[in-house]
Amino acid sequence: KQEVTQIPAALSVPEGENLVLNCSFTDSAIYNLQWFRQDPGKGLTSLLLIQSSQREQTSGRLNASLDKSSGRSTLYIAASQPGDSATYLCAALSNFGNEKLTFGTGTRLTIIP
Amino acid sequence: EAQVTQNPRYLITVTGKKLTVTCSQNMNHEYMSWYRQDPGLGLRQIYYSMNVEVTDKGDVPEGYKVSRKEKRNFPLILESPSPNQTSLYFCASTYLRTNEQFFGPGTRLTVL
Repeated sequence: KQEVTQIPAALSVPEGENLVLNCSFTDSAIYNLQWFRQDPGKGLTSLLLIQSSQREQTSGRLNASLDKSSGRSTLYIAASQPGDSATYLCAALSNFGNEKLTFGTGTRLTIIP
Repeated sequence: EAQVTQNPRYLITVTGKKLTVTCSQNMNHEYMSWYRQDPGLGLRQIYYSMNVEVTDKGDVPEGYKVSRKEKRNFPLILESPSPNQTSLYFCASTYLRTNEQFFGPGTRLTVL
């Protein structure tokens, strides 16, 4: 059974700093890994999707990497801004057919102005 | 605009009163899913549908029903809601080519 872990649960950093969010998964037989952003009381916004055959994906100031062999993914945020404050969730798709994403419980990020 | 919509966004009800949460997507996706989000437990899949008239249970299906009569709609039905179904519910649809999932805005349900 796939388990996804995100540590730390909360993180505060000063504005302008670069930061890394971590995600680990127990079953390396994943189909893809997706990073989401969730604002308080809001839905999930897809940030980046990495297919199992890929090593990384980039979108603007965001870069996500995937290392299947070690069961890890990281989300790198460059030059953080207060608007980046949100909860970041990673999710692994490991059983194609039921389209079930296994989610971590998220990292709540606060950017301090 | 490509999107997944849910209604209602907020609902307070009482134990035993049947309710339906609607979900609709305009992206012509075959796959759709329902998740619930609870503190400390993350998001868990309730039901999924691979296409019209094809549905199956996820990890936490007890107390829920779904139907898929049309490709765009995937309603979640609570026949007799109970307080342990108080949660934040998300509908999602999948772009089959990349298996990327797109989520609706969520429905916050409170059962008293």
